[in-house]
Amino acid sequence: EIVLTQSPGTLSLSPGERAALSCRASQSVSSGYLAWYQHRPGQAPRLLIYGASSRASGIPDKFSGSGSGTDFTLTISRLEPEDFAVYYCQQYGTSPFTFGPGTKVDIK
Amino acid sequence: EVQLVESGGALVQPGRSLRLSCAASGFTFGDYAMHWVRQAPGKGLEWVSGIIWNSGVIGYADSVKGRFTISRDNAKNSLYLQMDSLRPEDTALYYCGKDGNTGALGYFYGVDVWGQGTTVTVFS
Repeated sequence: EIVLTQSPGTLSLSPGERAALSCRASQSVSSGYLAWYQHRPGQAPRLLIYGASSRASGIPDKFSGSGSGTDFTLTISRLEPEDFAVYYCQQYGTSPFTFGPGTKVDIK
Repeated sequence: EVQLVESGGALVQPGRSLRLSCAASGFTFGDYAMHWVRQAPGKGLEWVSGIIWNSGVIGYADSVKGRFTISRDNAKNSLYLQMDSLRPEDTALYYCGKDGNTGALGYFYGVDVWGQGTTVTVFS
C-alpha cells in the first residue's frame, strides 16, 4: 500500500497570502495519478487537481498542482475566505487507492 | 444535473451486515468507474473500494478486505456496498463517488462527483 504523508498538518495564514501544501508518497505514484481535494465542513469533498497538475472542471487558476514521482505540491496563490478548509491528496495509480491525512488551512 | 444519492446507512450492532446503495442520475452511469470513500468521526478521508465500468473490481482498503463487497448494476444506474461482519471502527459517513474515467486499462481521473453521504454507526 502506498502511504501518503501531508505537511504541514495545519497551515495558519491570512487572506491574500499564498499557501503551499506538500504530499509525499512512500513509493512512486504510477502514471502521476495524484489528485487534490478540498473538503469544507458539512460539505462533500471537491476535486481540485487530477494527474498531479491538471485543474478539474470549474476550478479557478489560483489552484495549481505540481510534482512527480513521490513529491507533490498544491499551491493556492491568494487565499480567499472560502479557501480555508482541509485539503487531501490521493493517489489512484495503485490499488488500494489511498488518501493522505490532510492539511488544514485555517485563518491566522 | 449530475447527482449521486446514497442510502442504506443505519445503526447496527457489531457483527451484523448492511448494504449501502448509491443512485446515480444526470450522466451515463455505465461509462464511469465508481468509488466508495468514508470519513470516520473526526478523521480524514479513507478510500474503501472502487469498481470500473464493466464491474471489474479495482480493490479494497486493507481495513475492509474480506468483509466488504462492491458491486454495480448499470441497468439500474446503481452502485452498492455490501458490508459484512461490521466493526465499531467502520462507523463513518460513507460517500459514493464518480470517477472521471471508465477505469478501463487502468485509466482513472479522480473522484469528480460526490454524493452527500450516508451514515453508518456500529455500536455495541
